[in-house]
Amino acid sequence: DTGVSQDPRHKITKRGQNVTFRCDPISEHNRLYWYRQTLGQGPEFLTYFQNEAQLEKSRLLSDRFSAERPKGSFSTLEIQRTEQGDSAMYLCASSLSPPSTGTQYFGPGTRLTVL
Amino acid sequence: DAKTTQPTSMDCAEGRAANLPCNHSTISGNEYVYWYRQIHSQGPQYIIHGLKNNETNEMASLIITEDRKSSTLILPHATLRDTAVYYCIVRGGNAGNNRKLIWGLGTSLAVNP
Repeated sequence: DTGVSQDPRHKITKRGQNVTFRCDPISEHNRLYWYRQTLGQGPEFLTYFQNEAQLEKSRLLSDRFSAERPKGSFSTLEIQRTEQGDSAMYLCASSLSPPSTGTQYFGPGTRLTVL
Repeated sequence: DAKTTQPTSMDCAEGRAANLPCNHSTISGNEYVYWYRQIHSQGPQYIIHGLKNNETNEMASLIITEDRKSSTLILPHATLRDTAVYYCIVRGGNAGNNRKLIWGLGTSLAVNP
């Protein structure tokens, strides 16, 4: 399967712990996006990479959140000192740059539960 | 990016066509209409997108009105596996730094046996 993959699929942690999620995009895609989705809502944009450069971060991404894409391939999203409000599905998507229309393809998501 | 309006929920009988409407009256000339769906607890799945012309692929058809202020996603023969939340999103062209998707609440489609 050559789609977007995410690991782990589920994570349960205690408040105050740090967690890290990984996303592997479609191999030829140089754009990578992170979104967060809470129950009953549509996904919300968190941050975006073109190759290894992080070009935009949402105001939703507090100081406790950090994302990296060190070699322009896979990306990690780390949450430090987790809070119960961080419980959500974290989604990763990837796309091509222009001249493509940039359709974003999503992974299965990582569901985080903070106790 | 333009805002979209979709009905909260719809029902469809299995085997019949499901027609999901979307209003995007403030769409501008270079903005595309995208449709995704999300089956419970899974990541969103891309369905189809279009600019001006009607589009068809193996999953669905997209009908865009001539003034581009609304569109309809058509699932020609709905099955139980099409039960999902369907999102209509308007997004600018791919040029420029960031083409993030701005999501509403979508339409919850229930396909009934």
